[in-house]
Amino acid sequence: DGGITQSPKYLFRKEGQNVTLSCEQNLNHDAMYWYRQDPGQGLRLIYYSQIVNDFQKGDIAEGYSVSREKKESFPLTVTSAQKNPTAFYLCASRLSTGATNEKLFFGSGTQLSVL
Amino acid sequence: GESVGLHLPTLSVQEGDNSIINCAYSNSASDYFIWYKQESGKGPQFIIDIRSNMDKRQGQRVTVLLNKTVKHLSLQIAATQPGDSAVYFCAENMWATGRRALTFGSGTRLQVQP
Repeated sequence: DGGITQSPKYLFRKEGQNVTLSCEQNLNHDAMYWYRQDPGQGLRLIYYSQIVNDFQKGDIAEGYSVSREKKESFPLTVTSAQKNPTAFYLCASRLSTGATNEKLFFGSGTQLSVL
Repeated sequence: GESVGLHLPTLSVQEGDNSIINCAYSNSASDYFIWYKQESGKGPQFIIDIRSNMDKRQGQRVTVLLNKTVKHLSLQIAATQPGDSAVYFCAENMWATGRRALTFGSGTRLQVQP
């Protein structure tokens, strides 16, 4: 959606396993984000990155890790420390001109389930 | 994904009626607000935005109203259509706090009855 590709669409994790969700954007956006969505709740911020090789924790970073080695890629690893990983994961990006009124563009999401 | 919105508040309207979806935001320092629409199993799509120096903004069939006194945001959809059925989220931007990310509300499900 809008130049942001998330893969896979569905992912299954075995107990004790780490899994990585992919997010790639071709919008030349500087900032990228990961949100988690649970039923009956809004989107909660996991991690975000404003530039390459830099990222910040969001509200629910425990049990997750990220990297930002390239501008167009922001993979999210769900580690075995995340005890309740079942959720819909959304990646987003923003141009980041420094203006406050910049909207996020979202990918189509990855549904992660535990086997 | 498909399970989003099991416990969301629901607004049910008849096709052709106007819809009003409300949102209370949390931080008086927020300076930018956005409404997103999310269909089942998809990522949120931008609808309309408003800066804190405005109290009303209109788009095509949609209007956003901002009341900073009571920290309230509303989305009005004119002549609601079946394709408007989705979950709607408001989000606020708290740039002044140093947080360079949107904070989302819990969402409202809009059901349009034919």
